[in-house]
Amino acid sequence: DAKTTQPPSMDCAEGRAANLPCNHSTISGNEYVYWYRQIHSQGPQYIIHGLKNNETNEMASLIITEDRKSSTLILPHATLRDTAVYYCIVTNYNQGGKLIFGQGTELSVKP
Amino acid sequence: KAGVTQTPRYLIKTRGQQVTLSCSPISGHRSVSWYQQTPGQGLQFLFEYFSETQRNKGNFPGRFSGRQFSNSRSEMNVSTLELGDSALYLCASSSPHGGDTEAFFGQGTRLTVV
Repeated sequence: DAKTTQPPSMDCAEGRAANLPCNHSTISGNEYVYWYRQIHSQGPQYIIHGLKNNETNEMASLIITEDRKSSTLILPHATLRDTAVYYCIVTNYNQGGKLIFGQGTELSVKP
Repeated sequence: KAGVTQTPRYLIKTRGQQVTLSCSPISGHRSVSWYQQTPGQGLQFLFEYFSETQRNKGNFPGRFSGRQFSNSRSEMNVSTLELGDSALYLCASSSPHGGDTEAFFGQGTRLTVV
């Protein structure tokens, strides 16, 4: 079973920030939080990951709470092309490169 | 550099047949993982190979098998196909360097069993 809980769907207006929450209350000390997204019928795409510090890259920002039990992925200026299913995953690659996908959040960006 | 390449992209097979899918990882990546995606079950982990050894395995029957070659290319095989095996099969490659790394996915092979 997935170790994360995400809302099944969210809407966001184009140009606004999209904030996607994820609960991972059973995360272990050596597990990272990863975010991937999957645009319809394509392979998942890596977005960002972090251990305990907030992270930012050209695609998104990742905010992890101090107790590491939850996190938020932020797409600062959502576009129509950001419409996708977003998956939050916790894992440690020392466990063997195994990603356990939950149901994810289906983000719809609307004009 | 080239991404993860999966062949074929589409495949139609008959129940009872077997099928082999291929995955070429990103150059230099030694880990290849396979996933099955269906509308009902979502994305499910099949197995992972690293340096020609299966390092991790998901909860699938023995009809699903795989292997990895010395050049890191990987194949997965499904024998005695069932209608329920119809799915998008995805492979991902990565270059583990400790506890964190990112996986790069191919576009998948769409298998239809009739």
